[in-house]
Amino acid sequence: GQNIDQPTEMTATEGAIVQINCTYQTSGFNGLFWYQQHAGEAPTFLSYNVLDGLEEKGRFSSFLSRSKGYSYLLLKELQMKDSASYLCAVRDSNYQLIWGAGTKLIIKP
Amino acid sequence: IAGITQAPTSQILAAGRRMTLRCTQDMRHNAMYWYRQDLGLGLRLIHYSNTAGTTGKGEVPDGYSVSRANTDDFPLTLASAVPSQTSVYFCASSDSGGGAGEQFFGPGTRLTVL
Repeated sequence: GQNIDQPTEMTATEGAIVQINCTYQTSGFNGLFWYQQHAGEAPTFLSYNVLDGLEEKGRFSSFLSRSKGYSYLLLKELQMKDSASYLCAVRDSNYQLIWGAGTKLIIKP
Repeated sequence: IAGITQAPTSQILAAGRRMTLRCTQDMRHNAMYWYRQDLGLGLRLIHYSNTAGTTGKGEVPDGYSVSRANTDDFPLTLASAVPSQTSVYFCASSDSGGGAGEQFFGPGTRLTVL
């Protein structure tokens, strides 16, 4: 079957760096997405990786290793507004997204 | 409007009733999707449409139907609601014309079936 694994919850301190990991086993691979979802709101797109390596976008970076079925989202200079759930999703061979359950990130002052 | 809208925002429904959740996008995206999101689970695809006039079944299609008469609208119908359909429903759209083809989400409909 298809499976996306990510930690259920993480806690970090304002101003620090946090890394959220995602491992996947899917039927085919056509890209990996990270989304942010604040409580009670819709998911919003953060990043996309289709080739191995690091993609940087401001305070957020995303890494992909296709051979290991592994990605991480790196958040730097954490702010209180970064408190949210972070969703990892893989686009499979049918070009449909398979979603992880999300990682709830709690930022403490 | 800009983006995707969904209606209603929330609804309490008696079991056995028929309900249609509405979704409209103005981005001229060719693909649209319906997901449900339940606590502790990832988003699960109910139905999708790659282009107007076509639809497909996702991971959890039973009890739901969709139609795609035009590019902008993608309604989701629960023919006879059951309590297990209590969930938050998100509509999304994407443009498969190139690039990442990321999905854009509507604000969601919170549905409670009693």
